[in-house]
Amino acid sequence: SQQGEEDPQALSIQEGENATMNCSYKTSINNLQWYRQNSGRGLVHLILIRSNEREKHSGRLRVTLDTSKKSSSLLITASRAADTASYFCATATLSNDYKLSFGAGTTVTVRA
Amino acid sequence: DSGVTQTPKHLITATGQRVTLRCSPRSGDLSVYWYQQSLDQGLQFLIQYYNGEERAKGNILERFSAQQFPDLHSELNLSSLELGDSALYFCASSPWTGDTDTQYFGPGTRLTVL
Repeated sequence: SQQGEEDPQALSIQEGENATMNCSYKTSINNLQWYRQNSGRGLVHLILIRSNEREKHSGRLRVTLDTSKKSSSLLITASRAADTASYFCATATLSNDYKLSFGAGTTVTVRA
Repeated sequence: DSGVTQTPKHLITATGQRVTLRCSPRSGDLSVYWYQQSLDQGLQFLIQYYNGEERAKGNILERFSAQQFPDLHSELNLSSLELGDSALYFCASSPWTGDTDTQYFGPGTRLTVL
């Protein structure tokens, strides 16, 4: 079963705009990770945020985590056509032996 | 390139058949994971091996089995295939660092069951 749910399911933006997607999860976590998948290809790890962290940055990516609301957001600033992909959040919990539970993903299309 | 390799890239077979998918982890990674990605089920964790031993099991059917060999490569065996088994199968590996563990995914094997 999937732990995380991304919102929105799909997002279309103009190049240069920011893209924000959200992830909600159900149980306590040790960390939350975001992955990117280009059409039909393998997933690429983007960023990991631990449960005791509230915000993390990596290049044009900003991730926030609110454990009280069991939610996370991924912000991609100044989007590029190459950012067109599906984005997945994945949660890891000690009780799950750190298995990753993935959400259904947000499909982002960046228009040139 | 994640450093994880999977073969074959594509596999087309018939119902009732058996196939083997192969995965070579990144150099130094002891942990291997298998995932199934289908349109209706999303990305589902199947099974994890650590240094040759099964560590965790997810939504893996009894018709599926896996193993990790002494050289750390892993194979996923799918038998008595059904149409619904058509999916992308991903292997991932990680160094297993506990709560900051990051998984590195291979390019996947696309299985089509006709």
